[in-house]
Amino acid sequence: AQRVTQPEKLLSVFKGAPVELKCNYSYSGSPELFWYVQYSRQRLQLLLRHISRESIKGFTADLNKGETSFHLKKPFAQEEDSAMYYCALSGGTGYGNKLVFGAGTILRVKS
Amino acid sequence: EPEVTQTPSHQVTQMGQEVILRCVPISNHLYFYWYRQILGQKVEFLVSFYNNEISEKSEIFDDQFSVERPDGSNFTLKIRSTKLEDSAMYFCASSPPIAHNERFFGPGTRLTVL
Repeated sequence: AQRVTQPEKLLSVFKGAPVELKCNYSYSGSPELFWYVQYSRQRLQLLLRHISRESIKGFTADLNKGETSFHLKKPFAQEEDSAMYYCALSGGTGYGNKLVFGAGTILRVKS
Repeated sequence: EPEVTQTPSHQVTQMGQEVILRCVPISNHLYFYWYRQILGQKVEFLVSFYNNEISEKSEIFDDQFSVERPDGSNFTLKIRSTKLEDSAMYFCASSPPIAHNERFFGPGTRLTVL
């Protein structure tokens, strides 16, 4: 079964502080991991995916298969990073694979 | 930039009534999905649709639910006889042919069942 765990409902940091949003997953095969973000009053949108190995808006995430984790990190948080962040997992490569979401973590960046 | 659109933004209905939630996916996308999010809970997968048929569905997607692509642009979710627990935000999403694991989400329809 596919499962995604985001242990923190809320993460509050000061502007300029490092951020780490935790995500752990459970999947027997080779998963594809994603981070989605939802800013206030906006739609869910893809932030980054592990296979791209890119940095988006200063955020990075590394897939650690040994620890089954895909934590989202940013060295210096900015106020505009305040949003809801969802970790998501897609198993396999077949068409129409369901995307399983974690419960989400609210990130609040205080000035 | 093309976006997934959904109508209505908010639907209020009486328990037992049928509702149809509408979505217009991005035009060159081939994979379509419905998700829902009950207030305070996680986003849950309902169904995926490809090549005019359901490719996968969750346990939530029982006989009360159906999906349809009635023409070349719309993708609908029908709930035949709504229950109070169907109250949720319903998100439509679509994926392009070359990145079918990437979802583009609509803004959602808030369904309130009274």
